Amino acid sequence: GENVEQHPSTLSVQEGDSAVIKCTYSDSASNYFPWYKQELGKGPQLIIDIRSNVGEKKDQRIAVTLNKTAKHFSLHITETQPEDSAVYFCAALYTGTASKLTFGTGTRLQVTL
Amino acid sequence: DGGITQSPKYLFRKEGQNVTLSCEQNLNHDAMYWYRQDPGQGLRLIYYSQIVNDFQKGDIAEGYSVSREKKESFPLTVTSAQKNPTAFYLCASKLFAEAFFGQGTRLTVV
Repeated sequence: GENVEQHPSTLSVQEGDSAVIKCTYSDSASNYFPWYKQELGKGPQLIIDIRSNVGEKKDQRIAVTLNKTAKHFSLHITETQPEDSAVYFCAALYTGTASKLTFGTGTRLQVTL
Repeated sequence: DGGITQSPKYLFRKEGQNVTLSCEQNLNHDAMYWYRQDPGQGLRLIYYSQIVNDFQKGDIAEGYSVSREKKESFPLTVTSAQKNPTAFYLCASKLFAEAFFGQGTRLTVV
């Protein structure tokens, strides 16, 4: 089955700096890679996703890059703000069959003033 | 509003008792999932269902049971056989690729 590794487990940045979270996956058939943000006591919310036919996707201050050859993908947050503080999860999925999302172990991002 | 509703938000259970967590969705999604989250941990899959009247064990199914009698409902029962049930439980539904989560139920065994 799929295995997703995520690094770092914790990340502290100053407001305005950039944050990068990296994930690797094991199943070369995976073709969908979402990122979720989880605030304290709440369920995860999808913030951005990328499919295997695209190398990069941006949405305002958030971007995701995918390297299929190396089987890794990354989340980039620019101009970080205190409200970006949360736990971020990456995930991988093969959409061709009825399958389940496999999640990374999460990164706790702390944006300090 | 479309979405996933988990209830209750907080649940307390005495040791040895079974308890059922509710998950309802009005998104018309075929697939539904239950995850367990422990403090500082990732999401571990308990059970999932791709279609009504069918479900499969996830990675940590022991001590849990589910049913899927209706498309919109996927309740999770935490049985007395679950040795360490205190955790945050998340329900999700998925159509094709994108998954949507409920707000979670925090279960505490007292």
